[in-house]
Amino acid sequence: QSVLTQPPSVSSAPGQKVTISCSGSGSNIENNYVSWYQQLPGTAPKLLIYENNKRPSGIPDRFSGSKSGTSATLGITGLQTGDEADYYCGTWDSSLSVVVFGGGTKLTVL
Amino acid sequence: QVQLRESGPGLVKPAEPLSLTCTVSGGSTSGYNWSWIRQPPGKGLEWIGHIYYSGSTNYNPSLKSRVTISVDTSKNQFSLKLSSVTAADTAVYYCARARNYYDISGLLFYFDYWGQGTLVTVSS
Repeated sequence: QSVLTQPPSVSSAPGQKVTISCSGSGSNIENNYVSWYQQLPGTAPKLLIYENNKRPSGIPDRFSGSKSGTSATLGITGLQTGDEADYYCGTWDSSLSVVVFGGGTKLTVL
Repeated sequence: QVQLRESGPGLVKPAEPLSLTCTVSGGSTSGYNWSWIRQPPGKGLEWIGHIYYSGSTNYNPSLKSRVTISVDTSKNQFSLKLSSVTAADTAVYYCARARNYYDISGLLFYFDYWGQGTLVTVSS
Protein backbone atom coordinates (compact mmCIF):
# COMPACT_ATOMS: atom_id res chain seq x y z
CA GLN A 1 0.00 0.00 0.00
CA SER A 2 1.65 3.21 -1.22
CA VAL A 3 1.55 6.45 0.77
CA LEU A 4 0.62 8.29 -2.43
CA THR A 5 -2.44 7.04 -4.32
CA GLN A 6 -2.54 6.86 -8.11
CA PRO A 7 -5.08 5.17 -10.37
CA PRO A 8 -3.68 1.80 -11.54
CA SER A 9 -4.41 2.58 -15.17
CA VAL A 10 -5.65 5.23 -17.57
CA SER A 11 -6.21 5.12 -21.30
CA SER A 12 -6.96 7.44 -24.15
CA ALA A 13 -6.65 7.69 -27.91
CA PRO A 14 -3.73 9.06 -29.92
CA GLY A 15 -3.84 12.84 -30.11
CA GLN A 16 -6.06 13.14 -27.08
CA LYS A 17 -5.33 14.32 -23.55
CA VAL A 18 -5.07 12.41 -20.29
CA THR A 19 -4.54 13.32 -16.66
CA ILE A 20 -3.06 11.17 -13.90
CA SER A 21 -3.83 12.02 -10.30
CA CYS A 22 -1.66 11.57 -7.23
CA SER A 23 -3.32 11.88 -3.84
CA GLY A 24 -1.45 12.31 -0.58
CA SER A 25 -1.70 14.21 2.68
CA GLY A 26 -0.48 17.19 4.63
CA SER A 27 2.76 15.46 5.54
CA ASN A 28 3.77 14.92 1.95
CA ILE A 29 2.20 16.56 -1.11
CA GLU A 30 0.60 19.51 0.64
CA ASN A 31 3.83 20.77 2.16
CA ASN A 32 6.54 19.52 -0.19
CA TYR A 33 7.27 19.56 -3.88
CA VAL A 34 6.09 16.83 -6.24
CA SER A 35 8.00 15.18 -9.07
CA TRP A 36 6.82 12.83 -11.82
CA TYR A 37 8.65 10.01 -13.60
CA GLN A 38 8.01 8.07 -16.79
CA GLN A 39 9.07 4.43 -16.96
CA LEU A 40 8.95 2.94 -20.43
CA PRO A 41 8.75 -0.87 -20.53
CA GLY A 42 12.01 -2.48 -19.45
CA THR A 43 13.79 0.82 -18.76
CA ALA A 44 14.72 3.00 -15.81
CA PRO A 45 12.44 5.79 -14.67
CA LYS A 46 12.99 9.18 -16.30
CA LEU A 47 12.31 12.56 -14.71
CA LEU A 48 9.37 14.31 -16.36
CA ILE A 49 8.35 17.01 -13.89
CA TYR A 50 10.03 18.47 -10.81
CA GLU A 51 9.12 21.21 -8.36
CA ASN A 52 5.42 20.48 -9.05
CA ASN A 53 5.34 21.92 -12.57
CA LYS A 54 8.82 22.38 -14.03
CA ARG A 55 10.07 20.36 -16.99
CA PRO A 56 13.73 19.33 -17.36
CA SER A 57 15.47 20.25 -20.57
CA GLY A 58 14.33 17.97 -23.38
CA ILE A 59 10.89 17.16 -21.98
CA PRO A 60 8.23 18.40 -24.41
CA ASP A 61 5.58 20.84 -23.24
CA ARG A 62 2.95 18.17 -23.89
CA PHE A 63 3.76 17.13 -20.33
CA SER A 64 2.60 19.37 -17.48
CA GLY A 65 2.28 19.17 -13.73
CA SER A 66 0.14 20.90 -11.14
CA LYS A 67 -0.53 20.69 -7.43
CA SER A 68 -3.42 21.75 -5.25
CA GLY A 69 -3.63 20.98 -1.57
CA THR A 70 -2.95 17.30 -0.96
CA SER A 71 -3.16 16.26 -4.62
CA ALA A 72 -1.02 16.58 -7.72
CA THR A 73 -1.82 15.97 -11.37
CA LEU A 74 0.22 15.03 -14.41
CA GLY A 75 -1.25 16.08 -17.74
CA ILE A 76 -0.27 14.75 -21.14
CA THR A 77 -1.64 16.24 -24.34
CA GLY A 78 -1.29 15.12 -27.93
CA LEU A 79 -0.92 11.49 -26.85
CA GLN A 80 1.44 9.30 -28.84
CA THR A 81 1.86 5.55 -28.79
CA GLY A 82 5.36 6.17 -27.49
CA ASP A 83 3.84 7.64 -24.32
CA GLU A 84 2.67 4.18 -23.24
CA ALA A 85 4.49 3.69 -19.95
CA ASP A 86 4.13 3.59 -16.20
CA TYR A 87 4.03 6.99 -14.52
CA TYR A 88 5.00 7.61 -10.89
CA CYS A 89 4.61 10.60 -8.63
CA GLY A 90 7.05 11.19 -5.80
CA THR A 91 7.66 13.56 -2.92
CA TRP A 92 9.15 13.79 0.57
CA ASP A 93 7.04 12.74 3.53
CA SER A 94 7.92 14.90 6.51
CA SER A 95 6.29 12.59 9.06
CA LEU A 96 7.91 9.39 7.81
CA SER A 97 11.21 11.11 6.88
CA VAL A 98 11.30 9.23 3.61
CA VAL A 99 10.88 9.79 -0.11
CA VAL A 100 7.54 8.30 -1.07
CA PHE A 101 6.24 7.27 -4.47
CA GLY A 102 2.81 6.53 -5.79
CA GLY A 103 1.99 2.99 -6.82
CA GLY A 104 2.28 3.92 -10.48
CA THR A 105 -0.23 4.40 -13.29
CA LYS A 106 -0.08 2.44 -16.50
CA LEU A 107 -0.97 4.60 -19.50
CA THR A 108 -2.40 2.87 -22.54
CA VAL A 109 -2.74 4.80 -25.78
CA LEU A 110 -5.43 2.96 -27.69
CA GLN B 1 25.85 14.17 -20.02
CA VAL B 2 25.87 12.48 -16.64
CA GLN B 3 25.63 8.71 -16.78
CA LEU B 4 25.27 6.23 -13.95
CA ARG B 5 25.87 2.49 -14.05
CA GLU B 6 25.19 -0.07 -11.35
CA SER B 7 27.39 -3.10 -10.89
CA GLY B 8 27.42 -6.05 -8.54
CA PRO B 9 26.27 -9.65 -8.15
CA GLY B 10 22.96 -10.56 -9.72
CA LEU B 11 22.39 -13.43 -7.30
CA VAL B 12 22.74 -13.30 -3.51
CA LYS B 13 22.02 -16.06 -1.03
CA PRO B 14 19.54 -15.49 1.78
CA ALA B 15 21.08 -14.03 4.97
CA GLU B 16 24.12 -12.81 3.04
CA PRO B 17 24.91 -9.15 2.29
CA LEU B 18 24.07 -7.43 -0.97
CA SER B 19 26.68 -5.02 -2.30
CA LEU B 20 26.27 -2.75 -5.30
CA THR B 21 28.38 0.03 -6.75
CA CYS B 22 27.27 2.93 -8.90
CA THR B 23 29.87 4.49 -11.20
CA VAL B 24 29.24 8.06 -12.29
CA SER B 25 30.63 9.32 -15.61
CA GLY B 26 30.28 12.66 -17.35
CA GLY B 27 30.19 14.42 -14.00
CA SER B 28 31.56 14.33 -10.49
CA THR B 29 30.16 12.77 -7.34
CA SER B 30 31.55 15.76 -5.45
CA GLY B 31 29.05 18.47 -4.71
CA TYR B 32 26.02 16.33 -5.42
CA ASN B 33 23.74 14.00 -3.51
CA TRP B 34 23.11 10.38 -4.44
CA SER B 35 20.37 7.85 -3.80
CA TRP B 36 19.51 4.19 -4.18
CA ILE B 37 15.99 3.16 -5.20
CA ARG B 38 14.64 -0.32 -5.83
CA GLN B 39 11.72 -1.88 -7.64
CA PRO B 40 10.55 -5.43 -6.94
CA PRO B 41 9.45 -7.29 -10.08
CA GLY B 42 6.10 -5.98 -11.26
CA LYS B 43 5.84 -3.49 -8.41
CA GLY B 44 6.46 0.18 -7.67
CA LEU B 45 9.46 2.21 -6.58
CA GLU B 46 10.92 2.18 -3.07
CA TRP B 47 13.51 4.72 -1.91
CA ILE B 48 16.31 3.01 0.00
CA GLY B 49 18.45 5.91 1.11
CA HIS B 50 20.62 8.84 0.32
CA ILE B 51 24.11 10.20 0.80
CA TYR B 52 24.76 13.92 0.80
CA TYR B 53 27.89 15.43 -0.70
CA SER B 54 28.95 16.13 2.88
CA GLY B 55 29.01 12.39 3.54
CA SER B 56 26.01 12.36 5.82
CA THR B 57 23.32 9.79 5.10
CA ASN B 58 19.58 9.38 5.36
CA TYR B 59 17.94 5.96 5.16
CA ASN B 60 14.43 4.64 4.73
CA PRO B 61 13.37 3.74 8.29
CA SER B 62 12.03 0.40 7.06
CA LEU B 63 15.55 -0.59 5.95
CA LYS B 64 17.71 1.56 8.19
CA SER B 65 19.05 -1.24 10.38
CA ARG B 66 20.40 -3.09 7.34
CA VAL B 67 21.54 -0.32 4.96
CA THR B 68 24.84 1.45 4.49
CA ILE B 69 25.49 3.94 1.68
CA SER B 70 28.95 5.33 1.11
CA VAL B 71 30.74 7.42 -1.50
CA ASP B 72 34.27 7.27 -2.91
CA THR B 73 34.86 10.58 -4.65
CA SER B 74 38.33 9.50 -5.81
CA LYS B 75 36.72 6.75 -7.90
CA ASN B 76 33.57 8.74 -8.71
CA GLN B 77 31.50 5.94 -7.22
CA PHE B 78 28.99 5.41 -4.49
CA SER B 79 27.89 2.12 -2.97
CA LEU B 80 25.03 0.28 -1.31
CA LYS B 81 25.33 -2.48 1.25
CA LEU B 82 22.22 -4.28 2.47
CA SER B 83 22.78 -6.92 5.11
CA SER B 84 20.91 -10.13 5.86
CA VAL B 85 18.86 -10.22 2.68
CA THR B 86 15.71 -12.24 2.17
CA ALA B 87 13.59 -13.04 -0.86
CA ALA B 88 11.72 -9.78 -0.20
CA ASP B 89 14.88 -7.91 -1.21
CA THR B 90 14.70 -9.30 -4.76
CA ALA B 91 14.37 -6.25 -6.97
CA VAL B 92 15.87 -4.09 -9.68
CA TYR B 93 18.18 -1.69 -7.89
CA TYR B 94 18.68 1.79 -9.33
CA CYS B 95 21.22 4.42 -8.42
CA ALA B 96 20.24 8.03 -9.04
CA ARG B 97 21.46 11.56 -8.61
CA ALA B 98 19.26 13.43 -6.16
CA ARG B 99 18.47 17.13 -6.07
CA ASN B 100 17.12 18.25 -2.74
CA TYR B 101 16.79 21.48 -0.82
CA TYR B 102 14.36 23.33 1.42
CA ASP B 103 12.61 26.54 0.64
CA ILE B 104 9.60 28.39 1.94
CA SER B 105 7.25 25.99 0.10
CA GLY B 106 8.73 22.80 1.47
CA LEU B 107 11.34 20.22 0.62
CA LEU B 108 12.26 19.60 -2.98
CA PHE B 109 13.57 16.06 -3.50
CA TYR B 110 13.79 14.55 -6.96
CA PHE B 111 16.02 12.33 -9.08
CA ASP B 112 17.31 13.78 -12.33
CA TYR B 113 19.68 11.06 -13.53
CA TRP B 114 19.18 7.32 -13.12
CA GLY B 115 21.25 4.24 -13.80
CA GLN B 116 19.86 1.54 -16.04
CA GLY B 117 19.16 -0.67 -13.05
CA THR B 118 20.46 -4.06 -12.05
CA LEU B 119 18.35 -7.05 -11.05
CA VAL B 120 19.37 -8.67 -7.80
CA THR B 121 17.76 -12.00 -7.00
CA VAL B 122 17.91 -13.44 -3.51
CA SER B 123 17.85 -17.21 -3.72
CA SER B 124 19.76 -20.21 -2.47
